[in-house]
Amino acid sequence: EVQLVESGGGLVQPGGSLRLSCAASGFTFSSYEMNWVRQAPGKGLEWVSYISSSGSTIYYADSVKGRFTISRDNAKNSLYLQMNSLRAEDTAVYYCAREYCTNGVCYDYWGQGTLVTVSS
Amino acid sequence: DIQMTQSPSSLSASVGDRVTITCRASQSISSYLNWYQQKPGKAPKLLIYAASSLQSGVPSRFSGSGSGTDFTLTISSLQPEDFATYYCQQSYSTLGVTFGQGTRLEIK
Repeated sequence: EVQLVESGGGLVQPGGSLRLSCAASGFTFSSYEMNWVRQAPGKGLEWVSYISSSGSTIYYADSVKGRFTISRDNAKNSLYLQMNSLRAEDTAVYYCAREYCTNGVCYDYWGQGTLVTVSS
Repeated sequence: DIQMTQSPSSLSASVGDRVTITCRASQSISSYLNWYQQKPGKAPKLLIYAASSLQSGVPSRFSGSGSGTDFTLTISSLQPEDFATYYCQQSYSTLGVTFGQGTRLEIK
């Protein structure tokens, strides 16, 4: 069974840092591209970042570029998101999501999410 | 960025009803359109990909259609477990996939 389990969320002050983790199991993690998608409280979904299966290609949404860093450790079946210079508008549930579609981009498995709250 | 606009934003319907949700893209996205269902406190679930392909395990009462800029998600006969929020998502622009604002489907 495919499972994605996020951790690392919590309350952080504006300007602070946080590192999210996503532990994958039930599939060959090293074969899949992975993403982070977030959802502010009561709001819609926003794509945050992408990483290729090898980690050689990375993309970010403009809203987080220069502040967030995505990475992965295929030996540990884990995905990470290092978040620096956090702002109130970064408050959201952060999901890791597995890419599935070969024609276009879709996400077939998602974690349960981890809540990041940026507040003083 | 490609903007995705869903309509309606909310919808009340009864069990057994046929329901249609529309998603419009700000430019042509061919068939690079997916639909997700999200229930409160849960992660989104992929229903339809590539505009009309049913994801494995999704009931056949769900269907998708459209291409270019206009797309629809249809639920042929609403079941109690279908009351949720639905999102469309474009992937024509792979460097910046975007989602619609969501359509909340409520029980009448």
